[in-house]
Amino acid sequence: KAGVTQTPRYLIKTRGQQVTLSCSPISGHRSVSWYQQTPGQGLQFLFEYFSETQRNKGNFPGRFSGRQFSNSRSEMNVSTLELGDSALYLCASSFTSGLPETQYFGPGTRLLVL
Amino acid sequence: KQEVTQIPAALSVPEGENLVLNCSFTDSAIYNLQWFRQDPGKGLTSLLLIQSSQREQTSGRLNASLDKSSGRSTLYIAASQPGDSATYLCAVKKEWWGGSEKLVFGKGTKLTVNP
Repeated sequence: KAGVTQTPRYLIKTRGQQVTLSCSPISGHRSVSWYQQTPGQGLQFLFEYFSETQRNKGNFPGRFSGRQFSNSRSEMNVSTLELGDSALYLCASSFTSGLPETQYFGPGTRLLVL
Repeated sequence: KQEVTQIPAALSVPEGENLVLNCSFTDSAIYNLQWFRQDPGKGLTSLLLIQSSQREQTSGRLNASLDKSSGRSTLYIAASQPGDSATYLCAVKKEWWGGSEKLVFGKGTKLTVNP
């Protein structure tokens, strides 16, 4: 069974641009969560989608948005990029939402904003 | 607001040593606690998941304990090997109230096992 895949793996953008990251969950998984990892703040929750609905959102500005498609694939978008958005963006999938099961993480997309 | 702290931030040990990583959390109303491993430039691999009603979980050379009332968890690694070198992250999930996967992470302990 293939794991969680994220594309692209690496990305370089300049301030003010926007970016879209993609996450394909494990087949059959319906919940996708996104996290931002930086050296200073560690791993912080961005949002979670389940069956195309956003179920929870972290404390990030409105420039960060996401969506989930009917096949459970998810995208996150960051508009008007800032230098501080440079980070490793991780997505995680699980079969359901809120039950006692582990989440499976993808390898991440490393975003560098210049 | 839940806060998760991991001590120490970094640890270097010789191969073969038994070691303990610590994790503490401020809000005891947790649903479960997970320990993850992260290799440089990679995603997270789940090691152990402990439900709030459980006291410990074991997998091979790893044993994780949970004391929910005191807000503490430990990850015990027996007979450490160079391949155990990685960053170990502790994460808690808030008491389930409607189905959210939000995890609150500590900043991790970077472990180096020297041959």
